[in-house]
Amino acid sequence: DVKVTQSSRYLVKRTGEKVFLECVQDMDHENMFWYRQDPGLGLRLIYFSYDVKMKEKGDIPEGYSVSREKKERFSLILESASTNQTSMYLCASTPSGGLGSPLHFGNGTRLTVT
Amino acid sequence: QQPVQSPQAVILREGEDAVINCSSSKALYSVHWYRQKHGEAPVFLMILLKGGEQKGHDKISASFNEKKQQSSLYLTASQLSYSGTYFCGTERTDSWGKFQFGAGTQVVVTP
Repeated sequence: DVKVTQSSRYLVKRTGEKVFLECVQDMDHENMFWYRQDPGLGLRLIYFSYDVKMKEKGDIPEGYSVSREKKERFSLILESASTNQTSMYLCASTPSGGLGSPLHFGNGTRLTVT
Repeated sequence: QQPVQSPQAVILREGEDAVINCSSSKALYSVHWYRQKHGEAPVFLMILLKGGEQKGHDKISASFNEKKQQSSLYLTASQLSYSGTYFCGTERTDSWGKFQFGAGTQVVVTP
């Protein structure tokens, strides 16, 4: 079974802090994704990566950056956390090509910025 | 632009049927369907590829109308376990690898 692990289930940070959300997958998947989930808005794509050191902006990249130094790890960075970034963050992965392959999700990190 | 899902919510009695729709303004490679229960990660149900095929998963099936860029998820003879939020995910032909999701449809099945 594919396992996608997010390092923290719950996180509380202060406004202005630099925040790192970590995601690790164990199935050698090329593609990895970061989404934020808010009530009524569904899952919105922040960034995705199709290879090591490669990244593409999603629909809502403002205020976020990402890092993919190793194939199995994809980090989401909030350079200066703000209260409007309080949300549930979900990481997902899928094999190269994607077509016909499902996304495997982590359990999510609920981030609260105070 | 995210795909558009409807309805936002549906309440069913056990044994009733429901349809959830997902549409895109752009051409699609594929449509995915996932179900998420409260506090859990989304779980994959099925994928539909270009070609208008129909797939099934137990008594849950789906279709993909390539001409209209629309997909529908059919919940037949609903069970209590079908409760959750259903999301469609799409991959457009003009943005390979970029999976986008709709806002979700909350389904509540009551005894």
